[in-house]
Amino acid sequence: DIQMTQSPSTLSASVGDRVTITCRASQAISKSLAWYQQKPGKAPKLLIFKASTLEDGVPSRFSGSGSGTTFSLTISSLQPDDFATYYCQQYYNDFYTFGQGTYLEIK
Amino acid sequence: EVQLVESGGGLVEPGGSLRLSCAASGFIFRTFSMQWFRQAAGRGLEWVAYISSTSSNIYYADSVRGRFTISRDNAGSTLYLRLDSLRDEDTAVYYCARDRTFNYDSTGSADFWGQGTLVTVSS
Repeated sequence: DIQMTQSPSTLSASVGDRVTITCRASQAISKSLAWYQQKPGKAPKLLIFKASTLEDGVPSRFSGSGSGTTFSLTISSLQPDDFATYYCQQYYNDFYTFGQGTYLEIK
Repeated sequence: EVQLVESGGGLVEPGGSLRLSCAASGFIFRTFSMQWFRQAAGRGLEWVAYISSTSSNIYYADSVRGRFTISRDNAGSTLYLRLDSLRDEDTAVYYCARDRTFNYDSTGSADFWGQGTLVTVSS
């Protein structure tokens, strides 16, 4: 099974900050990676798929990069609505796995 | 507007069974792969199962393989998840989701999600 390791688990930041979340796969997954945002009591929202393709309607301050085993999600200038939990998900083979999540909190 | 509405959750004893349904609308259901995910209270997301548009490809997480069965009714635009031999650790909110396609291919990511249905396994 492919394991996904996200870091950090918790990130404290302020409005306007640039933040980066990293996700590492236990084996190469090409660009078969998605990023989601989840707020309490709500379903996840797809932000990025194919490692770097921005989902329709997602603000351009979100960006994704990486391939193989190391990936990152960057928010260029944090907005109040961005404080949430973020998950990466690999879908390289017929067994999909998530990272453990990164809780982005207001400093 | 794409809508996915889950139903069928509830309280069940260990070893029991449930069938979850997900009614889809607002898109051509028969052309999309679909997935089930779950999330235990205070925990992270877990992928459960995937089914392709024609049901020709079906995949399961190791934790549910042999106990859960994903299926679909394209004529009725409904996705199902049959849960058998339920365990305490299956307690979670279960979400159905539409697979995100790209250039007409399934990607494995999920672009629209339902609101979730709670399954509680307890004696």
